Amino acid sequence: QKEVEQDPGPLSVPEGAIVSLNCTYSNSAFQYFMWYRQYSRKGPELLMYTYSSGNKEDGRFTAQVDKSSKYISLFIRDSQPSDSATYLCAIDGAGSYQLTFGKGTKLSVIP
Amino acid sequence: SQTIHQWPATLVQPVGSPLSLECTVEGTSNPNLYWYRQAAGRGLQLLFYSVGIGQISSEVPQNLSASRPQDRQFILSSKKLLLSDSGFYLCAWARGRGLSNQPQHFGDGTRLSIL
Repeated sequence: QKEVEQDPGPLSVPEGAIVSLNCTYSNSAFQYFMWYRQYSRKGPELLMYTYSSGNKEDGRFTAQVDKSSKYISLFIRDSQPSDSATYLCAIDGAGSYQLTFGKGTKLSVIP
Repeated sequence: SQTIHQWPATLVQPVGSPLSLECTVEGTSNPNLYWYRQAAGRGLQLLFYSVGIGQISSEVPQNLSASRPQDRQFILSSKKLLLSDSGFYLCAWARGRGLSNQPQHFGDGTRLSIL
């Protein structure tokens, strides 16, 4: 079983829609959770970083962590064409120097 | 604020040629440094990481090597490139406070094509 599972999409939504992106993980020792946004031909950019269960909000973005279900989500409200990118979840390596990344979900927001 | 620089942005090399990709970080000291390769549909593959000068850990046996000659400099090298070395190479840094509970911050990558 892979340590982090992320639906690769692609996901296509109309402008203004609420977007839900998700990852599941298998190792209950994971404690820190991140979401990155990657535009084409660019490096991943950190969007959200959280280490506890519950919600964390930053503008139009909300990160949600459910440690009991080993499930993390990123919600994007009022999606914009500029949100079109690949979104990667990342989880700390449970006692290592590494992060474990999902493979990314490609999102397109259609004007 | 911290910044990370990678160069070159794009590189086309013949098979069998050497490689040197450089990454530098500004605005922080003693960072953890990482080299990744990203292939379509395969996600981010960690190649090397370093927690200090001269300290390199390799994750994947391959045709590549890494060095960290200075605190904020990380170099990815190869003596003879293979076709399979083509890909998008990303450097990242994280605060070196210990284990991986710190987010990583990425450069804009080098797109390497081997002909």
